[in-house]
Amino acid sequence: KQEVTQIPAALSVPEGENLVLNCSFTDSAIYNLQWFRQDPGKGLTSLLLIQSSQREQTSGRLNASLDKSSGRSTLYIAASQPGDSATYLCAVEGSNYQLIWGAGTKLIIKP
Amino acid sequence: SAVISQKPSRDICQRGTSLTIQCQVDSQVTMMFWYRQQPGQSLTLIATANQGSEATYESGFVIDKFPISRPNLTFSTLTVSNMSPEDSSIYLCSVVVTGVSKQFFGPGTRLTVL
Repeated sequence: KQEVTQIPAALSVPEGENLVLNCSFTDSAIYNLQWFRQDPGKGLTSLLLIQSSQREQTSGRLNASLDKSSGRSTLYIAASQPGDSATYLCAVEGSNYQLIWGAGTKLIIKP
Repeated sequence: SAVISQKPSRDICQRGTSLTIQCQVDSQVTMMFWYRQQPGQSLTLIATANQGSEATYESGFVIDKFPISRPNLTFSTLTVSNMSPEDSSIYLCSVVVTGVSKQFFGPGTRLTVL
């Protein structure tokens, strides 16, 4: 059974710092891995999707990597801003589009 | 992409009552799902909403408690029946758009059961 773990559970850093969020999964047989952002009172926003055949994806200040063999993904946020404060969730997709979710990392960027 | 709306956005309900949550998508989608996010927890898949047939439920979820309808390709409802405080959660629908591999999520329905 696939299990997804995110470390750390919470992170608070000053504005401007670069930071890394970690996601690990137990079963390497995945179709893709997605990183989402969840803001309080709002829905989920898909940030990056990495197909199982890819190693990384980039969007603006965000870079996500995937190492299937070791069951790990990282989300790198460059030059963090207070607007980046949110909960970041990773999810792996198995069969039939079903997503298995990590518990999330709550990120606070201090001005 | 897809624009997904959910109604209601939030509700406060009494124990023992039922609430039906609607999910509407602006385009035809391949698949629709319902998730639950309990306070402080991550998302858990409740079921896959199948068009014109019974939903496919995950372990721990049953049709009597969470009846689901999907009468067409763009609309689905989830009912939370005979509610208890343990049902207080955010309920989200998600869709897979035809030809696009990633899922899109609705804004969620925040349910509080007293």
